[in-house]
Amino acid sequence: DAGVIQSPRHEVTEMGQEVTLRCKPISGHNSLFWYRQTMMRGLELLIYFNNNVPIDDSGMPEDRFSAKMPNASFSTLKIQPSEPRDSAVYFCASSAKTGRAEAFFGQGTRLTVV
Amino acid sequence: GENVEQHPSTLSVQEGDSAVIKCTYSDSASNYFPWYKQELGKRPQLIIDIRSNVGEKKDQRIAVTLNKTAKHFSLHITETQPEDSAVYFCAASGDSNYQLIWGAGTKLIIKP
Repeated sequence: DAGVIQSPRHEVTEMGQEVTLRCKPISGHNSLFWYRQTMMRGLELLIYFNNNVPIDDSGMPEDRFSAKMPNASFSTLKIQPSEPRDSAVYFCASSAKTGRAEAFFGQGTRLTVV
Repeated sequence: GENVEQHPSTLSVQEGDSAVIKCTYSDSASNYFPWYKQELGKRPQLIIDIRSNVGEKKDQRIAVTLNKTAKHFSLHITETQPEDSAVYFCAASGDSNYQLIWGAGTKLIIKP
């Protein structure tokens, strides 16, 4: 397996634009997590899905953020409209059993909003 | 809900010495405690984990200890090497809270 695959690796966009981050989890994993990492706030859980269903989105900062998981092999995190304070590294991770097994992280998407 | 605190935020040790990073958790129902290592510019990766039915686990130069009564767990790295320099995160989860709750991270610096 190629591991968790995220795209794009880097994204530079202008304030106000829509940004879509993509994630393909490891085949067979039933849990998927979206994290945001910044120097100031560390690693923050934004949302996690179990069996494609959003379980906890309390970490989503505001309505500008939305996430979907239409099937077991694909998830998106969308920011609309984007703001400079959204600049961060966004990680997607998947695991075979929510919270009780190793979470495998993708390589991350470095988002810069100018 | 669960809260995980991690100390210190930065740890600098001489190469060859040992390093210890400590975490405390608040939810007594938590029963899974992983440690992740994140090298600069890379993704976090699991290095060792422990479940609540054991008190200690070792893998070569790294070990984790768990004190359920005191609700704390620690990462021990012996004979530190330059490649151990990274940020280390602890986390906790349990049957009542399936998501991993993360510590804030410890930046470990190995001085040559």
